[in-house]
Amino acid sequence: GNSVTQMEGPVTLSEEAFLTINCTYTATGYPSLFWYVQYPGEGLQLLLKATKADDKGSNKGFEATYRKETTSFHLEKGSVQVSDSAVYFCALSVASNDYKLSFGAGTTVTVRA
Amino acid sequence: EAQVTQNPRYLITVTGKKLTVTCSQNMNHEYMSWYRQDPGLGLRQIYYSMNVEVTDKGDVPEGYKVSRKEKRNFPLILESPSPNQTSLYFCASSLMAVVNSPLHFGNGTRLTVT
Repeated sequence: GNSVTQMEGPVTLSEEAFLTINCTYTATGYPSLFWYVQYPGEGLQLLLKATKADDKGSNKGFEATYRKETTSFHLEKGSVQVSDSAVYFCALSVASNDYKLSFGAGTTVTVRA
Repeated sequence: EAQVTQNPRYLITVTGKKLTVTCSQNMNHEYMSWYRQDPGLGLRQIYYSMNVEVTDKGDVPEGYKVSRKEKRNFPLILESPSPNQTSLYFCASSLMAVVNSPLHFGNGTRLTVT
């Protein structure tokens, strides 16, 4: 089946620190990979995506590279801000499963000033 | 403003009392879906709909019903709620069920069943 495993939180950082959230996946077929972000009291928003191996998704200073050889899609940001405090979800979808999104458990990130 | 609207935001009910959570989108999206979010489990899909009058089970459909009589609306129905359905529920929609069509989420409905 299809599944996503991401590092457990919570993660607490100081402003301007480097952030990495690990994400690995298993999939039948050739998945597309996503990172969604959930700010307090809101629904999820798409942060970035990658649709094929070696693609790099980027948005708002966040980056993630689709690594087929290690089945990973780690999220990184070089210098976090307090406004980056949120829950981050890694997800995948495959065409053979009606493109249904399978989500990881989510990682809570808190950035302190 | 393009959005997915869920109502209510908060709901407390008792076991066995039927309830409906409404979901409406104003983006003319074909694809709509319901998820529940539980600590440590992420989001799990309950039901989805690829278009009007077409609905399919997701990963955790037991105890839930949906309907898609109009393109914009996709209500979630709990005929006889139980405490294990206490959760945070999200409705989402996308233009179509393809990889280049990101999901747009509502702000969630927090349901407590006592």
